[in-house]
Amino acid sequence: SQTIHQWPATLVQPVGSPLSLECTVEGTSNPNLYWYRQAAGRGLQLLFYSIGIGQISSEVPQNLSASRPQDRQFILSSKKLLLSDSGFYLCAWSAQGSGELFFGEGSRLTVL
Amino acid sequence: KNQVEQSPQSLIILEGKNCTLQCNYTVSPFSNLRWYKQDTGRGPVSLTIMTFSENTKSNGRYTATLDADTKQSSLHITASQLSDSASYICVVNPLGSSGTYKYIFGTGTRLKVLA
Repeated sequence: SQTIHQWPATLVQPVGSPLSLECTVEGTSNPNLYWYRQAAGRGLQLLFYSIGIGQISSEVPQNLSASRPQDRQFILSSKKLLLSDSGFYLCAWSAQGSGELFFGEGSRLTVL
Repeated sequence: KNQVEQSPQSLIILEGKNCTLQCNYTVSPFSNLRWYKQDTGRGPVSLTIMTFSENTKSNGRYTATLDADTKQSSLHITASQLSDSASYICVVNPLGSSGTYKYIFGTGTRLKVLA
């Protein structure tokens, strides 16, 4: 069966520090991968999606970047965090040709 | 503009009672509509999925309905339990996404079930 792992679950970082959130998917090949941010009282905002290794699409201009070094690995990064980067980040995957999204457990980022 | 709106924003009910959550969307055409349950601090988990041609879909105590003419969906929870306390998110998947799905998310309804 397929599983998705996301870490760390909780992160407290000072403004200006770097960020790395990692997500891996097991039990499937060539998944579509996504990074979402969820702000309190708001819907999920798509940050990045990837249809293959090294293929990253950005949905909104921001202080963050994403990379897909391996087929089932998706990394969300920042060189210098801003206060506005605080939020709940969710990694998700879907099979090619299928619309169902499967989410990771989420990462709570607090920038102080 | 493709939008998904949910109501109410929050809801409090007593354990054992039924409730209905609403989802109105402007996405057209669309491929399918899903309801997700999200426990606090956790990732969303799919409850139901319906294509545009389906009217109703059940998953245990959860029943989703879809009216493609009025562009409305509802999620009915029967005999609520304390574990139903969560946010419920309506997600619409537009057609024509070129193989990559750009889902449209509602802001969710926060349900609290009291003993």
